[in-house]
Amino acid sequence: SQQGEEDPQALSIQEGENATMNCSYKTSINNLQWYRQNSGRGLVHLILIRSNEREKHSGRLRVTLDTSKKSSSLLITASRAADTASYFCATDLRFTGNQFYFGTGTSLTVIP
Amino acid sequence: DAGVTQSPTHLIKTRGQQVTLRCSPKSGHDTVSWYQQALGQGPQFIFQYYEEEERQRGNFPDRFSGHQFPNYSSELNVNALLLGDSALYLCASSLAAVSGNTIYFGEGSWLTVV
Repeated sequence: SQQGEEDPQALSIQEGENATMNCSYKTSINNLQWYRQNSGRGLVHLILIRSNEREKHSGRLRVTLDTSKKSSSLLITASRAADTASYFCATDLRFTGNQFYFGTGTSLTVIP
Repeated sequence: DAGVTQSPTHLIKTRGQQVTLRCSPKSGHDTVSWYQQALGQGPQFIFQYYEEEERQRGNFPDRFSGHQFPNYSSELNVNALLLGDSALYLCASSLAAVSGNTIYFGEGSWLTVV
C-alpha cells in the first residue's frame, strides 16, 4: 500500500498562477522528498525536507512539513507551461535506511 | 558527470519469459534501489543493494531478484513474467544506504509483457 497520498489527483491552472499540492503520510518519517515526473520519464528530484525542518525554499518552490499532521505541501509560484508534469512526494520511514514510499502523485497541467 | 543510466529503454516480453534490466549508478554512488511503477501509480520499492548485498526488500515475490557488481552497477531479474509485471522499472542511486541522502533516478526501462 502507498505510504503517501497526494492531493489533488489532478490540477489545472493558467500560466503565471501558483500551484499548491499536498501530501499526507501515515507513519513517522526521517525526511520527505518531492519529485517531478514528465510523462513516461524518470523522476527528477526537487527538494528534500527533513523531519526537524518546517519549511524549505528552492527557486520557485516552497515546501512545508507538519509532522504533527503528517502532511507536507509543495507550492510552485509563477507557474510555467514547462512545469506540466506529475509530482510525487516520497517518504523515508524511520529505520528503513533510505527506502522510499511514494504516493500516487498529482498531475499538474499549466495552460499557456 | 553521468547520471543514473538504465538499459534497455523499452522491451517487450512474452508471459513466462525472463527479463534482465541493467543500471549504472550516478558517479560516486554506491547504493542502488529498484522501483516498479505501474501506469497511473507511484513507484513501489522492490529492493535495495549496498556492498553487493540485498539490504532491504519491498513486498515483491521471489520472481524478482537482483545483483550488484563490484563497480556498483546493478541488474534486476524477473522470472516467469506475468502480464501484471508490465510497468516502468526505475533504478535509483544514492551515496550509502543512509537516510537523508538524496536519491537520483534513471529514465527507466519500459517493460511490456504480452
